[in-house]
Amino acid sequence: EVQLLESGGGLVQPGGSLRLSCAASGFTFSNYAMNWIRQFPGKGLECVSSISGNGGYISYSDSVKGRFTVSIDSARTTMYLQMRSLRVDDTATYYCANVANDYWGQGTLVTVSS
Amino acid sequence: IVMTQTPLSSRVTLGQPASISCRSSQSLLDSDGNTYLTWLHQRPGQPPRLLIYKVSNRFSGVPDRFRGSGAGTDFTLTISRVEAEDVGIYYCMQGTQFPTFGQGTKLEIK
Repeated sequence: EVQLLESGGGLVQPGGSLRLSCAASGFTFSNYAMNWIRQFPGKGLECVSSISGNGGYISYSDSVKGRFTVSIDSARTTMYLQMRSLRVDDTATYYCANVANDYWGQGTLVTVSS
Repeated sequence: IVMTQTPLSSRVTLGQPASISCRSSQSLLDSDGNTYLTWLHQRPGQPPRLLIYKVSNRFSGVPDRFRGSGAGTDFTLTISRVEAEDVGIYYCMQGTQFPTFGQGTKLEIK
């Protein structure tokens, strides 16, 4: 059974940094393109990053480009989202997901507030 | 690509049909011949879940009362007879370019 478990969310001040993790069990990221998708408090969804299974393709939304960095560990079982220069409007629940196969974590809440 | 859903909310009587429209700001037809339009359903407290992919293909386990249709820039999700478990928020998502979502349509029972 495929499971994705996000961690690393929390309360951070504007301008601060946070690193989210997405641990996979039952599969490895080598075979799947993965996304970090966030859901704002008002329920809107935004894909913030995409990474191919081999890591050769990476893309970001304009809203996070230059501030967020996605990566996958060498074992291909944990994906990260390094978030820097956080802003109040980055407040959201962050999901790691492979939408095509309906693999989703339960999400981790990031709150940016002073 | 901007995705626009209508309506943003809908109240439907059990057993009656429901329909959600999704329009993209440009054609979702990819150069590989596929149209990467996806429908997702989210229940309260849960992540979104896949319903329909590539316009009209039901994901595994999705009841056949759900039907996706459309082409180019105009797409529709139709529920033939709404059941209580269908409440929640429905999102369209395009994957032809970097993924973007519609605003979501909240479905409630009348």
